Amino acid sequence: NAGVTQTPKFRVLKTGQSMTLLCAQDMNHEYMYWYRQDPGMGLRLIHYSVGEGTTAKGEVPDGYNVSRLKKQNFLLGLESAAPSQTSVYFCASSHRSYEQYFGPGTRLTVT
Amino acid sequence: AQSVTQLDSQVPVFEEAPVELRCNYSSSVSVYLFWYVQYPNQGLQLLLKYLSGSTLVKGINGFEAEFNKSQTSFHLRKPSVHISDTAEYFCAVSDVGSGSARQLTFGSGTQLTVLP
Repeated sequence: NAGVTQTPKFRVLKTGQSMTLLCAQDMNHEYMYWYRQDPGMGLRLIHYSVGEGTTAKGEVPDGYNVSRLKKQNFLLGLESAAPSQTSVYFCASSHRSYEQYFGPGTRLTVT
Repeated sequence: AQSVTQLDSQVPVFEEAPVELRCNYSSSVSVYLFWYVQYPNQGLQLLLKYLSGSTLVKGINGFEAEFNKSQTSFHLRKPSVHISDTAEYFCAVSDVGSGSARQLTFGSGTQLTVLP
């Protein structure tokens, strides 16, 4: 099993550009999450999903959108990137327990 | 809503010495508690978790943590550290019965650096 994978690993965007980050899991987990990690701030929840076709806002949702059309995939979109969105983005998934499994991260720089 | 405070942002320690990484939480309801480790340029990996039962929880790589409800703490300990333990450590909490979301709230992290 690959676990949780994220695409791409690195990306540089100009202000105003858009992009989509892809998260895929092969563990048949119901729950999926997107976090951003910034120095000294730990991980903050952007959006999450409790099942296929459902999404909800987390702590810092502004400027991001998500979709979960298939159970194994959770997409994070930036419609108009801003320098404040420079961060490392992590996807995670979990089953019925509270233990979350994390992907390797995507390092995004917005110039 | 819950919150997590990791009291030390950086902890340097010599190899084979003991270490304690401190974590305090606040919540109005019962909680589940977790410690995750992040090695450089990697994702987070679960070290250990407290869901119920014994308040002393043992995890991977020789780490353990003790849940203290009266002090709202969940400190992480290891009796003898190795160079390979150098990493960032995150404490996280989830409210019991947080509905269908199973959301975690993370602390700001503690960078453990093991010196030769």
